[in-house]
Amino acid sequence: DIQMTQSPSTLSASIGDRVTITCRASQSISSWLAWYQHKPGKAPELLIYKASSLDSGVPSRFSGSGSGTEFTLTISSLQPDDFATYYCQQYNSYPWTFGQGTKVEIK
Amino acid sequence: QVQLQESGPGLVESSGTLSLTCAVSGGSMTTNNWWSWVRQPPGKGLEWIGEMYHSGTTNYNPSLKSRVTISLDKSKNQYFLRLSSVTAADTAVYYCARGLAVERTRNLFDPWGQGTLVTVSS
Repeated sequence: DIQMTQSPSTLSASIGDRVTITCRASQSISSWLAWYQHKPGKAPELLIYKASSLDSGVPSRFSGSGSGTEFTLTISSLQPDDFATYYCQQYNSYPWTFGQGTKVEIK
Repeated sequence: QVQLQESGPGLVESSGTLSLTCAVSGGSMTTNNWWSWVRQPPGKGLEWIGEMYHSGTTNYNPSLKSRVTISLDKSKNQYFLRLSSVTAADTAVYYCARGLAVERTRNLFDPWGQGTLVTVSS
């Protein structure tokens, strides 16, 4: 299985901050990486696919980059609606695997 | 706009079988998508369980394969999860999700259901 490792596990930030989350794969996954936002009691939502493509309707303050084994999710200016847990997922090979999550908290 | 909703018992006895239904609304199940299940144990990350294509093809996580069955009923726009011989380790929020079938077999998930908590009692 491909292991996905996110860092940090928790991130405290203020409104307007630039936030960066890292996801590392245990082997190369090319650009087959997705990012999701998950709020408590709600369905996870797709933010980014193929490492850097923004899903329809996702605000432009979100961006993704990387390829191979190292990827980042950046929020350029943190908004109140962005406090949530973020997960990366590889879809290069079975079984599909997720990172353990990064919780973005209010500082 | 496709929407998914999980339903099923919230409590299952240890060694029993967990059975969940995912109702799909706003679209057909015969599109180029994989119908998937993902779970999240309390305080832990997401774990992909398995998926099914409308042709009947299934893929399962090897860690659960011996205990999992996914099936679907296209006429009712529903699909199902059965997990046998459950233990406390199977306590989790279970999500159904549509796999987007990139290059036919690569799956990322959108949309997801809101999830349903299943507790395994000893």
